[in-house]
Amino acid sequence: EAGVAQSPRYKIIEKRQSVAFWCNPISGHATLYWYQQILGQGPKLLIQFQNNGVVDDSQLPKDRFSAERLKGVDSTLKIQPAKLEDSAVYLCASSLGVGLDEQYFGPGTRLTVT
Amino acid sequence: KNEVEQSPQNLTAQEGEFITINCSYSVGISALHWLQQHPGGGIVSLFMLSSGKKKHGRLIATINIQEKHSSLHITASHPRDSAVYICAVRYERGAQKLVFGQGTRLTINP
Repeated sequence: EAGVAQSPRYKIIEKRQSVAFWCNPISGHATLYWYQQILGQGPKLLIQFQNNGVVDDSQLPKDRFSAERLKGVDSTLKIQPAKLEDSAVYLCASSLGVGLDEQYFGPGTRLTVT
Repeated sequence: KNEVEQSPQNLTAQEGEFITINCSYSVGISALHWLQQHPGGGIVSLFMLSSGKKKHGRLIATINIQEKHSSLHITASHPRDSAVYICAVRYERGAQKLVFGQGTRLTINP
């Protein structure tokens, strides 16, 4: 079974530029999560989708971050414009449903904003 | 103060030592997860607990719901166990999201 795929693996941009990350979850997984992990910290949930609907985006900085999952399968996360403090690893995870279902994580995208 | 606190933040030990990593949380939970993160970012789920104890190979996870505390133990540690170990909890009420601790960086020297 293929795991959660993410691209790119690494990205370096200058502040005020835009960037987009892509995630393809495990086939059949209804729930998709985007996390931000700053160096030395645990992951922080940015947004959770159930199929193509948003379940929780309470910690998403909506003035600069946006995410979509139009067909309920793959998803993109965009930052526009980027700030220095956005430097982090962006992790995508998926699960069959919600609640006690196990989450499967992708390899992450390491973003450096200079 | 973080909602999920892990200790220690960093741990260095010699191969073969018994390792304990602790996790404390402050609210009622429906489940607690232990995760392993290797350099490069990939996260793997080790255990999901709601009570008692689970064992998988050299790894043992325990949880005390009344004391809001969990421990991850590694017996006969090996350099390949070197990684960041993360505790995450799912709240009993409200949002179903996971809340993560800051992680414990474990280094096992040969």
